[in-house]
Amino acid sequence: GAGVSQSPSNKVTEKGKDVELRCDPISGHTALYWYRQSLGQGLEFLIYFQGNSAPDKSGLPSDRFSAERTGGSVSTLTIQRTQQEDSAVYLCASSTDGNPTPRYFGPGTRLLVL
Amino acid sequence: DQQVKQNSPSLSVQEGRISILNCDYTNSMFDYFLWYKKYPAEGPTFLISISSIKDKNEDGRFTVFLNKSAKHLSLHIVPSQPGDSAVYFCAAILYSSASKIIFGSGTRLSIRP
Repeated sequence: GAGVSQSPSNKVTEKGKDVELRCDPISGHTALYWYRQSLGQGLEFLIYFQGNSAPDKSGLPSDRFSAERTGGSVSTLTIQRTQQEDSAVYLCASSTDGNPTPRYFGPGTRLLVL
Repeated sequence: DQQVKQNSPSLSVQEGRISILNCDYTNSMFDYFLWYKKYPAEGPTFLISISSIKDKNEDGRFTVFLNKSAKHLSLHIVPSQPGDSAVYFCAAILYSSASKIIFGSGTRLSIRP
């Protein structure tokens, strides 16, 4: 498909374990965003990559969260030592250069920390 | 502190009638607003947007109205169709830092036959 894809679609982990979430943006999109949505809440900004610029990490809730984007394409969001409050749906989005807002979202990864 | 609020978690509208989804915001510095639509098991899809210099933007069956003095925007869908049943998110940004988009909690719209 030509859309944003994310994997895994669901992840159940035990408290204290590390998890990696993957995002494949639309080919050629230079902007990539990570958000999370906790139950009953709106989407919470986590991190933003734009081309070769330094990422905007101001939304990451703690130093247990990190993300990288290799080769300007695929991105991985890593959560170390997961906590129960990390349980949420993690959404990735991408956009073209001329558009600073997320336009195309992936289906999300539903993370459950037991 | 929710900067963008959608106070109606759900809304049911008869097919063919007008659906009106409401959104309030608290930060008068927001200068760009967006609506997204989300089906189950899919990510949100951009629907329509409006700049703060306008008070109305129309795209087919969808119209967004912005009332800056009231810090209120609304999405009108007319006529409503069964495929419009979804969760609708309102969002706001400061265009200079557009990545930090603030989303509301969503309104689930159900179109009944």
